[in-house]
Amino acid sequence: DTAVSQTPKYLVTQMGNDKSIKCEQNLGHDTMYWYKQDSKKFLKIMFSYNNKELIINETVPNRFSPKSPDKAHLNLHINSLELGDSAVYFCASSQDSYGQGLGGELFFGEGSRLTVL
Amino acid sequence: AQSVTQLDSHVSVSEGTPVLLRCNYSSSYSPSLFWYVQHPNKGLQLLLKYTSAATLVKGINGFEAEFKKSETSFHLTKPSAHMSDAAEYFCVVSEYGNKLVFGAGTILRVKS
Repeated sequence: DTAVSQTPKYLVTQMGNDKSIKCEQNLGHDTMYWYKQDSKKFLKIMFSYNNKELIINETVPNRFSPKSPDKAHLNLHINSLELGDSAVYFCASSQDSYGQGLGGELFFGEGSRLTVL
Repeated sequence: AQSVTQLDSHVSVSEGTPVLLRCNYSSSYSPSLFWYVQHPNKGLQLLLKYTSAATLVKGINGFEAEFKKSETSFHLTKPSAHMSDAAEYFCVVSEYGNKLVFGAGTILRVKS
């Protein structure tokens, strides 16, 4: 009964391919996020959704497209993968009406390690 | 704009000795501050948070942190390190209406 689960855990693919990472939370939270952790371990927010509505959309290439079919799911689709997309992508959720984790706790998935060759 | 600086990229302690992980922040307003821990190949877990209540905050697993506005610091401490504390620790700052900003992380190594 994992709180925030994301699949796949590991993904190795060639440049130019399209891939998706799925995320589901069973905590009943209203807000979900995608974070990118680069090779230097910097964590940076990419997107957040509150009740299926996009709240935060950082300066991310439009090759990245999040999709939230319902408030328990937030998937990340990446088109035309590039070498620089190699990173660990973390999904997170919070019970937070502002969509930014303020004052509240973020619950993270275990990460999806994407390697682009 | 807010920012956070973790002063040590690596800290090594012996089991049973105190732990000190240093964090300085920059914020225009009263910030919220957090410490998260990441064990290898795992997601981040909240250790503790400061949101303008008591300046000394107690968290899980015996960790605590003190908010010092005059020094713009939020250092994480634990009196006695355990082998299971070996992990990476992230200091995080947030201002009202702004998103969370993560520090670069401090890797804690615990020697037996």
